[in-house]
Amino acid sequence: ETGVTQTPRHLVMGMTNKKSLKCEQHLGHNAMYWYKQSAKKPLELMFVYSLEERVENNSVPSRFSPECPNSSHLFLHLHTLQPEDSALYLCASSPTDRRGGDYGYTFGSGTRLTVV
Amino acid sequence: RKEVEQDPGPFNVPEGATVAFNCTYSNSASQSFFWYRQDCRKEPKLLMSVYSSGNEDGRFTAQLNRASQYISLLIRDSKLSDSATYLCVVVMFSGGYNKLIFGAGTRLAVHP
Repeated sequence: ETGVTQTPRHLVMGMTNKKSLKCEQHLGHNAMYWYKQSAKKPLELMFVYSLEERVENNSVPSRFSPECPNSSHLFLHLHTLQPEDSALYLCASSPTDRRGGDYGYTFGSGTRLTVV
Repeated sequence: RKEVEQDPGPFNVPEGATVAFNCTYSNSASQSFFWYRQDCRKEPKLLMSVYSSGNEDGRFTAQLNRASQYISLLIRDSKLSDSATYLCVVVMFSGGYNKLIFGAGTRLAVHP
């Protein structure tokens, strides 16, 4: 266990479905992140929440909708996805008060999403 | 130009070999540097930090050259268990959080 828990681990969904990915951490971190990792591509930062406020949204299509109800939980709501959205979706968390060095960045195990 | 560039490999080496990976980054304001390891279908895990003075952790040595914006990782006496993808990561601290920028990774396959 990494301290950051993601559910589900695997998800297969149709293009018309609505589903949500969940991320939970109890490390006392105040920043949470969603990353996407497609085959043979670098991890792409999708969203950042710092102190429960969205501080970065990297031109992600609106079919991905994040939600951060509190500093321990992060969701990614999915609707009308495309097959090219199939990827590994990783959640991470970190403290907000450390610069570089030992910054305590921790990844979850990821949700492997397949859109059919 | 990509923010972080790595040779994708794969590097196929026999057990016991020494192998070196390189990485370049484009933003001179980058503040911290790391190597991560990612096993197939798993999340990335921190391998080691990278400093200008160089740092060593057992068989692994990392080095940073800020002037050239170049990072390296050396693995000595390779083991089968070293087979993985190695990700070069640069960090910017901005707006109250650490932004990690990943390279696409270099794949290493160690064979008997």
